[in-house]
Amino acid sequence: QVQLVQSGSELKKPGASVKISCKASEYHFTNYAMNWLRQAPGQGLEWMGWINTNTGSPTYAQGFTGRFVFSLDTSVTTAYLQISSLKAEDTAVYYCARDEGRPPGTFDYWGQGTLVTVSS
Amino acid sequence: QSVLAQPPSASGTPGQRVTISCSGSSSNVGSQTVNWYQQLPGTAPKLLIYNTNQRPSGVPDRFSGAKSGTSASLAISGLQSDDEADYYCTAWDGSLKVWVFGRGTKLTVL
Repeated sequence: QVQLVQSGSELKKPGASVKISCKASEYHFTNYAMNWLRQAPGQGLEWMGWINTNTGSPTYAQGFTGRFVFSLDTSVTTAYLQISSLKAEDTAVYYCARDEGRPPGTFDYWGQGTLVTVSS
Repeated sequence: QSVLAQPPSASGTPGQRVTISCSGSSSNVGSQTVNWYQQLPGTAPKLLIYNTNQRPSGVPDRFSGAKSGTSASLAISGLQSDDEADYYCTAWDGSLKVWVFGRGTKLTVL
């Protein structure tokens, strides 16, 4: 059974950094792109971008450049999202989601979400 | 990024059929396929409809998707209490180069 298991909730102060992990299992990790999405409290879903798990090449949506970094460690089938210089408005649940690819954008499996709270 | 318009809420009684609309533009819904996700309270979204009208394995045929021009719709027939959730439509926007989402529709089963 395909699983994406994300790291636990984080409480950070403004200006700090956070790194969220997304451990994939029970499928060939490099065959499927990994996407990251954000959901602010009480709000809808926002697509942050994706990473090519074959090449490691990231693509960031507008608004998610500079402070946001997608990375991989294929040896442990894990994708990462790092956010630096955290702001209060970064408070949200962050999801990783596998792109089944047929067609692109078919997010068939999701992590359980990681709540990041930014507060002084 | 919420460029797709969805009604904030919808409701129906058990057994009824409800439809949720998703309105976009020629750069997204009008020219791309549409996906729908169901998000039960406190859980991650789940793929409900992909490629506008296809159901993943395990999704009951009570759920169906359709599109006409720049509007898409999700229909749920034989409404059940378990269907209470938020529903999101999404499509690729060829102009913005992002996956755009609707703000979600909260479905209440009365």
